[in-house]
Amino acid sequence: QKEVEQNSGPLSVPEGAIASLNCTYSDRGSQSFFWYRQYSGKSPELIMSIYSNGDKEDGRFTAQLNKASQYVSLLIRDSQPSDSATYLCAARGGSYIPTFGRGTSLIVHP
Amino acid sequence: ETGVTQTPRHLVMGMTNKKSLKCEQHLGHNAMYWYKQSAKKPLELMFVYNFKEQTENNSVPSRFSPECPNSSHLFLHLHTLQPEDSALYLCASSQDSVLAVNTQYFGPGTRLTVL
Repeated sequence: QKEVEQNSGPLSVPEGAIASLNCTYSDRGSQSFFWYRQYSGKSPELIMSIYSNGDKEDGRFTAQLNKASQYVSLLIRDSQPSDSATYLCAARGGSYIPTFGRGTSLIVHP
Repeated sequence: ETGVTQTPRHLVMGMTNKKSLKCEQHLGHNAMYWYKQSAKKPLELMFVYNFKEQTENNSVPSRFSPECPNSSHLFLHLHTLQPEDSALYLCASSQDSVLAVNTQYFGPGTRLTVL
């Protein structure tokens, strides 16, 4: 059974701080990893995708992948109240169909 | 807007009703997906269509019946549903379900309530 694990939170950080969201996956064959943001009552929106070990930066977001540890994370720098949402981690392996985690709720307070 | 639309956005139905959910994508993609999202649970993949052919049926009860007449349209026909089927139903599309780089784009979802 392929699983993607995330702490459900909520993770609460002050405005301007770095928010760190973590995700582990069970399928060692996973090759592609995705972070989606989902506002309450809305559909998931792709933020980042990462395929290689190391860091990938896009604006205030940095995705980090460590395949040996089966670990992927998302850092949000200079967090804003508008970043408050649920962040979904997804991993995809040979079946090419992604497996999603339950999501981590992030609250950025002013 | 992601280029994936869903109608209706909200649906309330009784257990004996028959209704259909519609999804349309304007991205030129060849793969389309139905997901179910219930509170506090991960996204559950229901069906996958690639080039109009169903490639995945994730042990979904027969009261859910998908239809994909072409690569741009996807339907989910509902009949004799149960209250536990109440959830957000999300449609997604991607370039091709078997590509290694296969980013999915989600529609806004249909919030379904079964009474």
